[in-house]
Amino acid sequence: GAVVSQHPSRVICKSGTSVKIECRSLDFQATTMFWYRQFPKQSLMLMATSNEGSKATYEQGVEKDKFLINHASLTLSTLTVTSAHPEDSSFYICSARQAKGTQYFGPGTRLLVL
Amino acid sequence: ELKVEQNPLFLSMQEGKNYTIYCNYSTTSDRLYWYRQDPGKSLESLFVLLSNGAVKQEGRLMASLDTKARLSTLHITAAVHDLSATYFCAVDMRPAGNTPLVFGKGTRLSVIA
Repeated sequence: GAVVSQHPSRVICKSGTSVKIECRSLDFQATTMFWYRQFPKQSLMLMATSNEGSKATYEQGVEKDKFLINHASLTLSTLTVTSAHPEDSSFYICSARQAKGTQYFGPGTRLLVL
Repeated sequence: ELKVEQNPLFLSMQEGKNYTIYCNYSTTSDRLYWYRQDPGKSLESLFVLLSNGAVKQEGRLMASLDTKARLSTLHITAAVHDLSATYFCAVDMRPAGNTPLVFGKGTRLSVIA
């Protein structure tokens, strides 16, 4: 099956710093990628939809200036958490969608902001 | 707005017993997914159900879809401890489009001896 990778798998940073998370589709072109956030013992919450070559669409309540998304190619999307705070600590999961609709999930990135 | 409801949210069951997890959704869709998530891990795809009446089985898990009732079930047969995990259903409103999956809240399953 198709593979989606994320890097890093886990990151610890100081409050106020920025963190970049990469999401790559390894063996297919993904016109659309999605970024989810999952807090402990909760379901996945969609943060934004990222289309290659265009601006991301953010869900209500997600600050676009804080969570910067770049989808520069058909195989790479990045999420940058700017000026991270402890409340941004979470599990971030990306997914990539093939042209025919099947969606594949990355392994997730665990962010801890101290 | 599509809503997806799972029940139960928590399930503690004895090894060897059978149980069913239910997933209801609010608008028309013909593609439904079941995922498993272990603690600290991402989602593992279990089943993709593509049409009304679809039934798929893998080991002790069997999933079905009734699009008219807007209901999917995940049936667990003779549970074993290794099945302990959180199970999510997710609905795809527009498989041919660029819309995200809408997830249920998940069912946390604990299988005890």
